[in-house]
Amino acid sequence: ELKVEQNPLFLSMQEGKNYTIYCNYSTTSDRLYWYRQDPGKSLESLFVLLSNGAVKQEGRLMASLDTKARLSTLHITAAVHDLSATYFCAGGPYNTDKLIFGTGTRLQVFP
Amino acid sequence: NAGVMQNPRHLVRRRGQEARLRCSPMKGHSHVYWYRQLPEEGLKFMVYLQKENIIDESGMPKERFSAEFPKEGPSILRIQQVVRGDSAAYFCASSPRTTEGEQFFGPGTRLTVL
Repeated sequence: ELKVEQNPLFLSMQEGKNYTIYCNYSTTSDRLYWYRQDPGKSLESLFVLLSNGAVKQEGRLMASLDTKARLSTLHITAAVHDLSATYFCAGGPYNTDKLIFGTGTRLQVFP
Repeated sequence: NAGVMQNPRHLVRRRGQEARLRCSPMKGHSHVYWYRQLPEEGLKFMVYLQKENIIDESGMPKERFSAEFPKEGPSILRIQQVVRGDSAAYFCASSPRTTEGEQFFGPGTRLTVL
């Protein structure tokens, strides 16, 4: 069964710096999602990646997908405090509709 | 267009009682998914339903848990004889079943079992 692992689990970074969150998955997945969750809140959809080499950008966040390496990355550029949240990646196993979530990366951006 | 709605937002039950969690999908969405999130963990898939049908219940515990999505009305996740280990946030998501398969999440129901 598909397994999804993220690293790091915790990330404390200074405003203005760049960093990357990694999402590895164990078997072939035909789609990969990134979500954001603020404390006590629901999940907000950030990116949907459907094909090898897919790259999407929104503001200071950029997500990419390498299906051959079974790896997706979420790159943060010039972090700001408002980006502090927990970020989840989730894979969709073939021929199913369910999502398998990673454990999440808790990001804290400080001045 | 209203988003996915869940109620109640917070639910407190004593051990042995029943919990009923409701989910109304986004307008035009006919696919509903339930996930459970334990503190400091990711979401775990429980069940996927379409109107009047359970499509995938591979994540549902074998006992005490059931789900339905009737022709009329919201989807309901029912937990009988709750135990402390059932304390968690339960999220519902809905999808229009496009090729992207993107799921939109509700605000969640936080269940506390005393």
